[in-house]
Amino acid sequence: AIRMTQSPSSLSASTGDRVTITCRASQHISNYLAWYQQKPGKVPKLLIHTASVLQSGVPSRFSGSGSGTDFTLTISSLQSEDFATYYCQHYSTYPITFGPGTKVDVK
Amino acid sequence: EVQLSDSGGGLVQPGESLRLSCAASGFTFTDYAMSWVRQAPGKGLEWVSGVSVSGGTTYYADSVKGRFTISRDNSKNTLYLQMNTLRAEDTAIYYCVKGDERLSTTPAFDCWGQGTLVTVSS
Repeated sequence: AIRMTQSPSSLSASTGDRVTITCRASQHISNYLAWYQQKPGKVPKLLIHTASVLQSGVPSRFSGSGSGTDFTLTISSLQSEDFATYYCQHYSTYPITFGPGTKVDVK
Repeated sequence: EVQLSDSGGGLVQPGESLRLSCAASGFTFTDYAMSWVRQAPGKGLEWVSGVSVSGGTTYYADSVKGRFTISRDNSKNTLYLQMNTLRAEDTAIYYCVKGDERLSTTPAFDCWGQGTLVTVSS
């Protein structure tokens, strides 16, 4: 199975900060990479698919990049509603796997 | 509006069985691959099982292979997960999820059910 890693595992930031989260796949996955946001007690929400395509309704401050094995999620200017845990996920083949998550909290 | 309504969770003892259901509405169910994803208390997301649009091909995580069976009834727009020989480590919220791309075999997940809690404990 393809293993997904994320860094950092957690970070503290302030509103307005630029935040970058990285995700690495143990094998080449082309651009079959998605990012999800999950707030406490809530259902995960798809933010980005195909490594860089913003899901409908997601604010443009979120962006994704990368291909192959290395990917990034960037929040250009952190807003209060963005404090959450972020997961990457590959879907290049089964079994599908998620990264361990990156928790973004208030500095 | 796309909706997934998952149900069937509960408290069971180790070794027992449970069947989860997910009623889908608001989209053409027969056009999308479906999966189950779980989340243990305080932990991350784990993909559990997936099924093709026809139901003819199924996929499983190693952790549940041989114990869980995914299926779909396209006439009822319903997804199922039969869970046998349950273990304490299967305790989690189970989410029914919809593929994001029509007819895609391996999709991202653009719609999630509200989740149903399965607790395995003696």
